[in-house]
Amino acid sequence: EIVLTQSPGTLSLSPGERATLSCRASPGVSSGFLAWYQQRPGQAPRLLIYGASSRATGIPDRFSGSGAGADFTLTISRLEAEDFAVYYCQQYANSPWTFGQGTKVEI
Amino acid sequence: QVQLQESGSGLVKPSETLSLTCSVSGASTSSGRYTWSWIRQPPGKAPEWIGYITHSGSTSFFSPLKSRLTMSLDSSSSQFSLRLTSLTAADSAVYYCARSHLLYAFDYWGPGILVTVSS
Repeated sequence: EIVLTQSPGTLSLSPGERATLSCRASPGVSSGFLAWYQQRPGQAPRLLIYGASSRATGIPDRFSGSGAGADFTLTISRLEAEDFAVYYCQQYANSPWTFGQGTKVEI
Repeated sequence: QVQLQESGSGLVKPSETLSLTCSVSGASTSSGRYTWSWIRQPPGKAPEWIGYITHSGSTSFFSPLKSRLTMSLDSSSSQFSLRLTSLTAADSAVYYCARSHLLYAFDYWGPGILVTVSS
């Protein structure tokens, strides 16, 4: 099973600031099969990034993903009010598909 | 527009069976391009993938749940279902259905249904 460890657990920032979220995989994720999701309270997760760096349909370009192998990053270039939420990374390279424990981005 | 909607029992007694159905609109469950997944999320915790079913009825399950889990798909009604037996309090969670793709991960999700296991 691939274990995903996200850091930090909580990120306290202000609107307009840059957010950098980390996801470390052990063992590594092959072929970049790594996704990022945003989850607001009371809502289902929403796909932001797939294939480590491709934005899903309708996702603003302030969201970007990077990385390969064992280290992945989600960057939000300029935080807007609606971006304060919990973010999860998820690998779909190997079964069982697994999620990280999440990073909460708070004001 | 692709939409998924879960339905089923929200309160289940310990040792009993959970039955959930996901209704899909805007996409064909008979397409071989996608798999149809169930994911659950205990309150305050990360999501956990439970398993998926393909258009042909093949399944892949999370190993710890394998002995208690059944999935089925009815393409004629664009629905797929989950059946989880011998429930305990540890199975209490929000259960989501989602469309999954080899390249795109879980691209569409239902709103979720809260399942509580309690006597």
